[in-house]
Amino acid sequence: AQKVTQAQTEISVVEKEDVTLDCVYETRDTTYYLFWYKQPPSGELVFLIRRNSFDEQNEISGRYSWNFQKSTSSFNFTITASQVVDSAVYFCALTHQGGSEKLVFGKGTKLTVNP
Amino acid sequence: DTAVSQTPKYLVTQMGNDKSIKCEQNLGHDTMYWYKQDSKKFLKIMFSYNNKELIINETVPNRFSPKSPDKAHLNLHINSLELGDSAVYFCASSQARAGYGYTFGSGTRLTVV
Repeated sequence: AQKVTQAQTEISVVEKEDVTLDCVYETRDTTYYLFWYKQPPSGELVFLIRRNSFDEQNEISGRYSWNFQKSTSSFNFTITASQVVDSAVYFCALTHQGGSEKLVFGKGTKLTVNP
Repeated sequence: DTAVSQTPKYLVTQMGNDKSIKCEQNLGHDTMYWYKQDSKKFLKIMFSYNNKELIINETVPNRFSPKSPDKAHLNLHINSLELGDSAVYFCASSQARAGYGYTFGSGTRLTVV
């Protein structure tokens, strides 16, 4: 069975601080995909990144970076120099290759960035 | 030009009523889904269809019935609504067997009173 754990329920930081959101996953598949989604207060789900299980390179996109480590089954997300607009609920999710492709979500981490 | 559109955005209805939520995607994707987000923000899959064929039905009460008239549409019909059905329902689509990730609709907030 697949499972995604986001142990941090809520995080509060002050603007310009760096913050890391943790994601640990469980799967027996060798080919799988990991995702991060952002859900701002307006409610829509915004795709941030997709990473396949064979690509362990870290990725940076502006102030966002992702650290994928298969050895610890983790796919952590760091926001550098956080801004108030980063305030949202962030979801980590997992799916596997083939079959139904259903996304299994973690319970989300609510990030509040205070001015 | 919205990729995945669902209507209505808000739905307030009384217990016992029957209601439908519609979803359409213009991305040419093969697979469509319904997800439910409860009051604690937990997102869980309900159904998925691939080319009009039901492939996932995740222990959802049979008061919920998805219908896919074609691969661009997946509607959700709910009979005899209950208070516990209050949630945000997200439609999504993806290219099957590719792990390309989903495109989500903007959600329908259902409130049963």
